[in-house]
Amino acid sequence: NAGVTQTPKFQVLKTGQSMTLQCAQDMNHEYMSWYRQDPGMGLRLIHYSVGAGITDQGEVPNGYNVSRSTTEDFPLRLLSAAPSQTSVYFCASRGEGAGGTEAFFGQGTRLTVV
Amino acid sequence: AQSVTQPDIHITVSEGASLELRCNYSYGATPYLFWYVQSPGQGLQLLLKYFSGDTLVQGIKGFEAEFKRSQSSFNLRKPSVHWSDAAEYFCAVGRGGKLIFGQGTELSVKP
Repeated sequence: NAGVTQTPKFQVLKTGQSMTLQCAQDMNHEYMSWYRQDPGMGLRLIHYSVGAGITDQGEVPNGYNVSRSTTEDFPLRLLSAAPSQTSVYFCASRGEGAGGTEAFFGQGTRLTVV
Repeated sequence: AQSVTQPDIHITVSEGASLELRCNYSYGATPYLFWYVQSPGQGLQLLLKYFSGDTLVQGIKGFEAEFKRSQSSFNLRKPSVHWSDAAEYFCAVGRGGKLIFGQGTELSVKP
């Protein structure tokens, strides 16, 4: 079982470039989320999805787009990268059911915008 | 507004000493509560979770946490810390796809 897979692990972008961070899960989880982690700020929710075709904004959505066309995939798009988006990005998925489950995290993508 | 506060940014304890990491939350409904641990350069690993029932929950690596509704707290404890426990610890609250994390507490362990 692969769990949550994020690609790439590392990326360097120039200001103004666009890119997509990929996230895939093989646990048939309904919920998927994207977080960014910055020193001293914990993990902040960017966007999340409660199922295929349904997404919503989190705490820090500006500059990012998401879509969820399948249960398995939840890509995060940076439209025009800015140095303020330099961060470590984590994708997570959660299941529902009695009590739900904990969130399972990918290994992260370290993004640097120069 | 939903929020999680971890008042201690950095804690240092001696190996073998007891540990308590504090977590306070603000959440409108009955929350699901979690503690995660992150070693440098790694992803997040779940230590324990509380959904309902017994307010004292046991987790992995000898950790436990107690949910106190009246104090809106979910503090993490360990009776005897090992050097390998040095890491950053995150408290989180939420339901569905929306988890809110605290700022984290970095734990250092002295030999």
